Amino acid sequence: EAGVAQSPRYKIIEKRQSVAFWCNPISGHATLYWYQQILGQGPKLLIQFQNNGVVDDSQLPKDRFSAERLKGVDSTLKIQPAKLEDSAVYLCASSLGTSLATQYFGPGTRLTVL
Amino acid sequence: AQKITQTQPGMFVQEKEAVTLDCTYDTSDQSYGLFWYKQPSSGEMIFLIYQGSYDEQNATEGRYSLNFQKARKSANLVISASQLGDSAMYFCAMREGYGGSQGNLIFGKGTKLSVKP
Repeated sequence: EAGVAQSPRYKIIEKRQSVAFWCNPISGHATLYWYQQILGQGPKLLIQFQNNGVVDDSQLPKDRFSAERLKGVDSTLKIQPAKLEDSAVYLCASSLGTSLATQYFGPGTRLTVL
Repeated sequence: AQKITQTQPGMFVQEKEAVTLDCTYDTSDQSYGLFWYKQPSSGEMIFLIYQGSYDEQNATEGRYSLNFQKARKSANLVISASQLGDSAMYFCAMREGYGGSQGNLIFGKGTKLSVKP
């Protein structure tokens, strides 16, 4: 069974530029999550989708971050414009359901903002 | 207050020995799940083991076991017969079954495990 796919793996941009990350969850997983992991910390949830609807985006900086999951499968996370403090690893995860289902993570995208 | 506390920033263990990584949690929910993930230098978060709050027996998965002490709100990970490939960051995480954070994984700050040959 294929795991969670993410691209790109690495991205370097200058501040005020835009960037987008892509995630393809495990087949059949209805729930998709985006996490931000700053160096030396545990991941922090940015947004959670159930199919193509947003369940929780309370920690998403909506002035610069946006995410969509239009057909309930793939998802895109965008940052516009990027700030230095956005340098982090962006992890996508998926699970069969919400509640207590195990989340499986992709390899992440390491973003460096110069 | 932190919901997940991992008090050991770094740990060393000799190859083939067992090691315990500490995790305490804070929740008022009766229904919750506790997870351990491994994160090698490559960055991917690898699921290791899960313990539900209503599970009476400690979870085990191969060389991994979870020492679940509900009254103490403790969920320590035990790795038996350490291998060089076990060197990585280890994160404890919790999902609460109800309330505003339903479904969200809350992570601790992690413990860096180094296995010495």
